[in-house]
Amino acid sequence: DTGVSQNPRHKITKRGQNVTFRCDPISEHNRLYWYRQTLGQGPEFLTYFQNEAQLEKSRLLSDRFSAERPKGSFSTLEIQRTEQGDSAMYLCASRPDRQNTGELFFGEGSRLTVL
Amino acid sequence: KQEVTQIPAALSVPEGENLVLNCSFTDSAIYNLQWFRQDPGKGLTSLLLIQSSQREQTSGRLNASLDKSSGRSTLYIAASQPGDSATYLCAVRGGNNRLAFGKGNQVVVIP
Repeated sequence: DTGVSQNPRHKITKRGQNVTFRCDPISEHNRLYWYRQTLGQGPEFLTYFQNEAQLEKSRLLSDRFSAERPKGSFSTLEIQRTEQGDSAMYLCASRPDRQNTGELFFGEGSRLTVL
Repeated sequence: KQEVTQIPAALSVPEGENLVLNCSFTDSAIYNLQWFRQDPGKGLTSLLLIQSSQREQTSGRLNASLDKSSGRSTLYIAASQPGDSATYLCAVRGGNNRLAFGKGNQVVVIP
C-alpha cells in the first residue's frame, strides 16, 4: 500500500494558463475526494467521486474547474484560465467504499502558485 | 452548515508538558471525527478516528475524546516532544459524505 500519490507537488504558472493535477488513490479505495487549502485555513471540500461517478461538487468549484475519474482509479483536477485567487494547496484523499465510518487518507498535496 | 472551531489557534509549550487541543462543532449529527497532523507545506497525516458511538481513541501518546452531544472533542498529547511541533486539524463527517475542518491548532514544542 503506497498511499495517496499526487503530482506535481508544486506548480507555478502565469495567470490565464491551464493546469492539471493528478491523484492516484490507495488501491481499492472507491471513494476519492478533492479539497483545497489556503494559508492558515482548514481544507475545504471541492468534489467527490464514487468509482468513476462524480457525486457531489462544491459551490467553490467554478466552471473553470473540472475533475474526472475516467476509469474509477486515478483522478485529474484541471483549472482553466487560472487566476491569482486559485493559488492554494490542492489535496486529494481516498477511502474504502463502506459505510460512512471510514478513515480518510490524504496525499501530500499539489501546491499551485499563480503569478 | 457544520462549523468546526479549534481553540487555541496557536500555542507554545516546553518539552515534556502535556498538550490539550480543543475542537468544537455545531451539528452533533456526525458519523465520525478525525484528527490530523499537518507539517508546513505538507499533506495531512491521520492520527485518530473516533466513530460517533465511541467516547475515545488512543494511539501511543495520543488520546482523543468525543462528546457528541455537546459537540466537543479533545486531543491530548502526553509528554510533548519537539517533533510534535505541527498544525493539528480536527474534522467531522456528517451525512453529506464530506469532512468539515477546523482551521487547526498550531503547536510549537520548545526544547
